Amino acid sequence: GQQLNQSPQSMFIQEGEDVSMNCTSSSIFNTWLWYKQDPGEGPVLLIALYKAGELTSNGRLTAQFGITRKDSFLNISASIPSDVGIYFCAGPSMDSSYKLIFGSGTRLLVRP
Amino acid sequence: NAGVTQTPKFQVLKTGQSMTLQCAQDMNHEYMSWYRQDPGMGLRLIHYSVGAGITDQGEVPNGYNVSRSTTEDFPLRLLSAAPSQTSVYFCASSYNRLAEAFFGQGTRLTVV
Repeated sequence: GQQLNQSPQSMFIQEGEDVSMNCTSSSIFNTWLWYKQDPGEGPVLLIALYKAGELTSNGRLTAQFGITRKDSFLNISASIPSDVGIYFCAGPSMDSSYKLIFGSGTRLLVRP
Repeated sequence: NAGVTQTPKFQVLKTGQSMTLQCAQDMNHEYMSWYRQDPGMGLRLIHYSVGAGITDQGEVPNGYNVSRSTTEDFPLRLLSAAPSQTSVYFCASSYNRLAEAFFGQGTRLTVV
């Protein structure tokens, strides 16, 4: 079945640094979603991408939908302590757009 | 605006017991779904519903039942709990099949 591979698995960075993480697949996705999960909470949508090549920003976050439709990246600029959490990419399954497939997540830790 | 509400937040069950995890949304979303999240893994789809009276299986449906009698509610039933069902369960809803899912805060279930 379809899989989403996220890298890196975890990152430990200094406050103020920029962060980059990505998500790849051997299958094409028509939508890419990026979620953040705080400890003890449900995932919250950060950015949604609907077109190949699309570049979208949300404050200090920027995400891009890869031209091949098989990858996406998320950048966080000038990280702050509240950026700590797990970041997931997700996309609808090819056999049913009602089903979301999630990557295994990138855990981000920020050192003040 | 409550969004997606899950109850209970925590539950401990003995092997073989049954229980129902409740999920309610007040956004008039047609699409609702249940995921489980295990350590080091992304979220995996258990069951989903595209409207009242319509449900279908996701990636890991065994051991779980669902029904959708109203737009607002989508309960998840564990028929005979097993230790392998120890997990964090998330309910989500969305307004169309390609749209972003809104998640509840989760139910942490332990089966002993």
